[in-house]
Amino acid sequence: GAGVSQSPRYKVAKRGQDVALRCDPISGHVSLFWYQQALGQGPEFLTYFQNEAQLDKSGLPSDRFFAERPEGSVSTLKIQRTQQEDSAVYLCASSQTSGGFQKGFFGPGTRLTVL
Amino acid sequence: GQQVMQIPQYQHVQEGEDFTTYCNSSTTLSNIQWYKQRPGGHPVFLIQLVKSGEVKKQKRLTFQFGEAKKNSSLHITATQTTDVGTYFCAGWSPYGGSQGNLIFGKGTKLSVKP
Repeated sequence: GAGVSQSPRYKVAKRGQDVALRCDPISGHVSLFWYQQALGQGPEFLTYFQNEAQLDKSGLPSDRFFAERPEGSVSTLKIQRTQQEDSAVYLCASSQTSGGFQKGFFGPGTRLTVL
Repeated sequence: GQQVMQIPQYQHVQEGEDFTTYCNSSTTLSNIQWYKQRPGGHPVFLIQLVKSGEVKKQKRLTFQFGEAKKNSSLHITATQTTDVGTYFCAGWSPYGGSQGNLIFGKGTKLSVKP
């Protein structure tokens, strides 16, 4: 596709439900990143993949958060037992190079609301 | 930990006026990137600065990276209504996390009155 796509665009979950957010990076992009953006704030790092390898997951807020990219393309961010504080926009970005987050292309995001 | 601070938080200008946002890091940065996020949209990459003292221009936008590589600025000349949005600086420090861990400022929200 022309850009990074994410699905669903909007997700409403009841507290305690599990959710799965999908990211389709730009074809051929080596690096993939997940960021969380709270209302009125800048994006905050969650995790980073280079191909299928998860190089950094230090930003994941708790062990309820899990991300994978099994074939080095599509990635899924899973949140178990959602809490109200998980409500945010989850942004996926991809980058052509293996040199970290440089000139990253962000997807439109998934807005998660936990009731 | 590493922090990136941005000021001002909000800026309201009359169309045609200039606008500047400033970014300061608590640690020396390897590079600084600037992004623009329109209301309801996602961050869009504008530019990356790497060298100490670097200045880059994109039409009415001028980006600077400080000599110490700890601060940066974005200046817009003669703002237009199309400039409306939130401008974020983001940097990576070798003293911080991995190269994927880009630290974003909180952004400067620009509104332009026609």
